[in-house]
Amino acid sequence: GAVVSQHPSWVICKSGTSVKIECRSLDFQATTMFWYRQFPKQSLMLMATSNEGSKATYEQGVEKDKFLINHASLTLSTLTVTSAHPEDSSFYICSASRGGKQYFGPGTRLTVT
Amino acid sequence: QQQVKQSPQSLIVQKGGISIINCAYENTAFDYFPWYQQFPGKGPALLIAIRPDVSEKKEGRFTISFNKSAKQFSLHIMDSQPGDSATYFCAASLETSGSRLTFGEGTQLTVNP
Repeated sequence: GAVVSQHPSWVICKSGTSVKIECRSLDFQATTMFWYRQFPKQSLMLMATSNEGSKATYEQGVEKDKFLINHASLTLSTLTVTSAHPEDSSFYICSASRGGKQYFGPGTRLTVT
Repeated sequence: QQQVKQSPQSLIVQKGGISIINCAYENTAFDYFPWYQQFPGKGPALLIAIRPDVSEKKEGRFTISFNKSAKQFSLHIMDSQPGDSATYFCAASLETSGSRLTFGEGTQLTVNP
C-alpha cells in the first residue's frame, strides 16, 4: 500500500512553454501532498505544500506564479511550471502524506531546451 | 532550528561490512525521524523510521539508533550488500506540521563487492 505515481516520468519542453506534472496517490487518499525539487547530488528541496481544496503554501523563494500547484482531489495534485526556462530543468518529486508519513512518487525529470 | 545535519557525505564499504550514517538535529520538538533510500533517477523510498520514545529500532539489516539527549540519530546497515549502494537521506518532522519533512544533505553509499 501507499503507492504514489507521477506522470510524466520525463519531459522535454522548449523555453517559454508550460508543462504540467501530475502526482497521484493510487491506493489512499491524501489531504496533503508535497512538491520537491532536487538537483544532481543534492538533497530534496521542498517547494510547496498542497492541501486538497485550498491554496498551496509555498516555501520562501519559490515563485508561486511560476510553479502553479492545484490539489483538486484527495488523490491528485498537479504542478505546472509556467514559462519554463533552462534553469527550471530539474528532478521534481511529489509525496503524499498518510498517517503522518510521506510516501514519494518516482519523480519527473524536466529538461527545458 | 529546522536544520538536520548529515554525515558523511559519501561512504565506501566492503560487502559484508557495516555502514553507519549519522544525523544531528536542532529542533527538540521534532517527533518523527525517518530514513529514506534513493536510487539514481528514482524517488526516495521510506526505509525505516523512529519516534523519540525509543532508543533503537531494527528492521532486518537496518537499525536506527536514537539519542534524544544528544539530538542525534544514526542508521546502521549490517552485512552491507552491493544492492544497498544508493543515496540515503535522514529527515525529521513535527507531527503537528502535517508531516512536513526537514531533510539532511544525503549520504552516497557505495558497497564494493
